[in-house]
Amino acid sequence: AQSVAQPEDQVNVAEGNPLTVKCTYSVSGNPYLFWYVQYPNRGLQFLLKYITGDNLVKGSYGFEAEFNKSQTSFHLKKPSALVSDSALYFCAVRARAGNNRKLIWGLGTSLAVNP
Amino acid sequence: NAGVTQTPKFRVLKTGQSMTLLCAQDMNHEYMYWYRQDPGMGLRLIHYSVGEGTTAKGEVPDGYNVSRLKKQNFLLGLESAAPSQTSVYFCASSYERAYEQYFGPGTRLTVT
Repeated sequence: AQSVAQPEDQVNVAEGNPLTVKCTYSVSGNPYLFWYVQYPNRGLQFLLKYITGDNLVKGSYGFEAEFNKSQTSFHLKKPSALVSDSALYFCAVRARAGNNRKLIWGLGTSLAVNP
Repeated sequence: NAGVTQTPKFRVLKTGQSMTLLCAQDMNHEYMYWYRQDPGMGLRLIHYSVGEGTTAKGEVPDGYNVSRLKKQNFLLGLESAAPSQTSVYFCASSYERAYEQYFGPGTRLTVT
């Protein structure tokens, strides 16, 4: 069965330190991969996506993510965290081919950046 | 561009009452979606539409109905609300199935 895992419910980092939010998936082939962010009491906002090409994808607000096919991962990263990055982050994955191409969502990771 | 808008923002219903949530998008997107978000359960797809006049069931469609009479609008109806439908409801749209989705601000619904 297809699945997405965000293994950490919560990530805590100090402001100015690098941050990583992890995502692994189980989907056949090379999927489409997405990251979204949700600030408190707001809807989700698209951050970045991997479709094809360079495994390192750059997105909004200084975030980037690296597609690793062998590890089936798509971790979200930022070199220097800001307090304003504190939010809920969702990874989502969609298969490119086959009968089941629905978008599969992770359960989210709460990021807390401490001043 | 307003993007995706949802009305109302908040609503309290009594068990058995009905209501309709309205979603509107001004991006000329073909695809529209209704999700519910509950603590610890992430986002779950209720219904979706691949174009004007079409609707399809998602993973948790029971107790909900939808209509897409106009391309820009996607309505979610609760015919007889139940406490289990207390949730935050999000509408989203996308240009194409494989593209990123754009979300509305959400509707917080409480059923007592």
